[in-house]
Amino acid sequence: KAGVTQTPRYLIKTRGQQVTLSCSPISGHRSVSWYQQTPGQGLQFLFEYFSETQRNKGNFPGRFSGRQFSNSRSEMNVSTLELGDSALYLCASSLDHRRLGNTIYFGEGSWLTVV
Amino acid sequence: SQELEQSPQSLIVQEGKNLTINCTSSKTLYGLYWYKQKYGEGLIFLMMLQKGGEEKSHEKITAKLDEKKQQSSLHITASQPSHAGIYLCGAADNYGQNFVFGPGTRLSVLP
Repeated sequence: KAGVTQTPRYLIKTRGQQVTLSCSPISGHRSVSWYQQTPGQGLQFLFEYFSETQRNKGNFPGRFSGRQFSNSRSEMNVSTLELGDSALYLCASSLDHRRLGNTIYFGEGSWLTVV
Repeated sequence: SQELEQSPQSLIVQEGKNLTINCTSSKTLYGLYWYKQKYGEGLIFLMMLQKGGEEKSHEKITAKLDEKKQQSSLHITASQPSHAGIYLCGAADNYGQNFVFGPGTRLSVLP
């Protein structure tokens, strides 16, 4: 079956703009998590959605938001982009929100460059 | 909050050599995941360990979780250039809610 699909793979935005990234989880998976990866900070948890509800949120400003649709697809949005938002954004899916015993699969990521 | 440390930070080995990467937690591990990442790409799931003393193998990679569940090791036997990449350990806290990653170990395998 298809893996986690993220679009777009690469994008360049200007400071102050906003961006929307999309993630389609593995079929049957209802939990979607988002992570930001930068060379300096490593992998950091953004938020997690399960059954269209945000269950958990990392320590990121309110400019970072997300949502999940009834088909489990998820989007994340970053408004008023800053240079420091340049990163690889990774989406992960799992069967449900429980972290114990559930394998978490990652997509290829979306490379965002803010200029 | 739970923090994961990995050692070494980077590793360069000759093809055919064995190597070990360690992941240490500040708290008890209730689920420990190992992933491999090629630069700029997504994470590839390798193994998940839950029980103290558990050991799993896949091809030439073996992962172990110690009895106290605070340290895990990833061992690669007879390394190949295809093993090169960044190895990350990740873990859930005891509530199964938050998921954190270690800083990663960059492995280079020289042919």
